[in-house]
Amino acid sequence: AQSVAQPEDQVNVAEGNPLTVKCTYSVSGNPYLFWYVQYPNRGLQFLLKYITGDNLVKGSYGFEAEFNKSQTSFHLKKPSALVSDSALYFCAVRDMEDASKIIFGSGTRLSIRP
Amino acid sequence: DSGVTQTPKHLITATGQRVTLRCSPRSGDLSVYWYQQSLDQGLQFLIQYYNGEERAKGNILERFSAQQFPDLHSELNLSSLELGDSALYFCASSVGTGYFNYGYTFGSGTRLTVV
Repeated sequence: AQSVAQPEDQVNVAEGNPLTVKCTYSVSGNPYLFWYVQYPNRGLQFLLKYITGDNLVKGSYGFEAEFNKSQTSFHLKKPSALVSDSALYFCAVRDMEDASKIIFGSGTRLSIRP
Repeated sequence: DSGVTQTPKHLITATGQRVTLRCSPRSGDLSVYWYQQSLDQGLQFLIQYYNGEERAKGNILERFSAQQFPDLHSELNLSSLELGDSALYFCASSVGTGYFNYGYTFGSGTRLTVV
């Protein structure tokens, strides 16, 4: 079965420090991968996606993600965290059997302390 | 504003009742998806419509049903409500479907509380 895993329920980082939110995937073939962010009482907002090409994908709000095929990972990164980055982050993959569906991970709560 | 509109934002209702959640997709998007987000289950895919037709079904209960109208707005009907149906219900839209699905745009959700 195809899936994404976010091994950390919560990540805590001090403001100004680099942050990483981890995601690994399990799909057959070449994956379409996404990161979404959910702020309190809001819907999910698209951050970035990987379809093909450059392994380093740049997205909104200064976030980037690195696609690593050998490690089947798609970790979200930011060089310098802001308190306003505190939110729930979801990694997702397009279903290879039904491309209409996107499969979401369980989410990682990112908390940035001042 | 994502362009995907969901109403109402909040809904409180009693067990056994029926409610209807409404979603207007982003202009130009033909696909509508419904997701349920609860504390212990994460994001669960319920159902997808594309240009008025049902395209994919996920873990949607028989008590739940949906449809997409000619103007492309969609409604999710939840009946015989139980306490466990309390959750955030999200609608998302995309331009295409299948291999033309390049990602979703989400609405801000409807928070349903069943008491």
